Amino acid sequence: DVKVTQSSRYLVKRTGEKVFLECVQDMDHENMFWYRQDPGLGLRLIYFSYDVKMKEKGDIPEGYSVSREKKERFSLILESASTNQTSMYLCASSLVAGGTLRETQYFGPGTRLLVL
Amino acid sequence: DAKTTQPPSMDCAEGRAANLPCNHSTISGNEYVYWYRQIHSQGPQYIIHGLKNNETNEMASLIITEDRKSSTLILPHATLRDTAVYYCIVRVHRSNDYKLSFGAGTTVTVRA
Repeated sequence: DVKVTQSSRYLVKRTGEKVFLECVQDMDHENMFWYRQDPGLGLRLIYFSYDVKMKEKGDIPEGYSVSREKKERFSLILESASTNQTSMYLCASSLVAGGTLRETQYFGPGTRLLVL
Repeated sequence: DAKTTQPPSMDCAEGRAANLPCNHSTISGNEYVYWYRQIHSQGPQYIIHGLKNNETNEMASLIITEDRKSSTLILPHATLRDTAVYYCIVRVHRSNDYKLSFGAGTTVTVRA
């Protein structure tokens, strides 16, 4: 069974803190994604990675960085958290090759981050 | 990706079939129809996808009209746990645009 896990379901941080959000998938997927989801704005892609140590900016990368040192793990880093980064953060993964599974993204449960 | 139109909300009685419509009149020949759902405070969950033929899996059935301009997701025996926002999207496979974009979706409430 497909499994994407995220390190925390809820997180409260202070402005200026460095924040690490971890995501692990056990499906040997090449692609991994970080989205944020806000009411009225839908899903927005922050970064994605198509291989170890490879990354591409999404639509809203400012204020974020990512790390992919191992295939199964994709970390999102908020270098200096700000209140406008309060959001639901969603990690997802997908296969690269092999039929239409490539386009199916499997999501983790989400991390609800509050920055005070 | 083609735009989709879904009703904003619908109710369904527990144990009955839920039929969720989706219009995608501008769909192109190489675009697939995908359905995801999102239960409150959880991540989106893939349900099913198809190109032309009807598809069925353990979660749902997908009926695509012959002209492919609309489709219906069928939850055969809705349970309270099926209460969620359901998203219909169309996507080209093997494109360079990886990101998913959801519209407003249909909020489905299953009532006991």
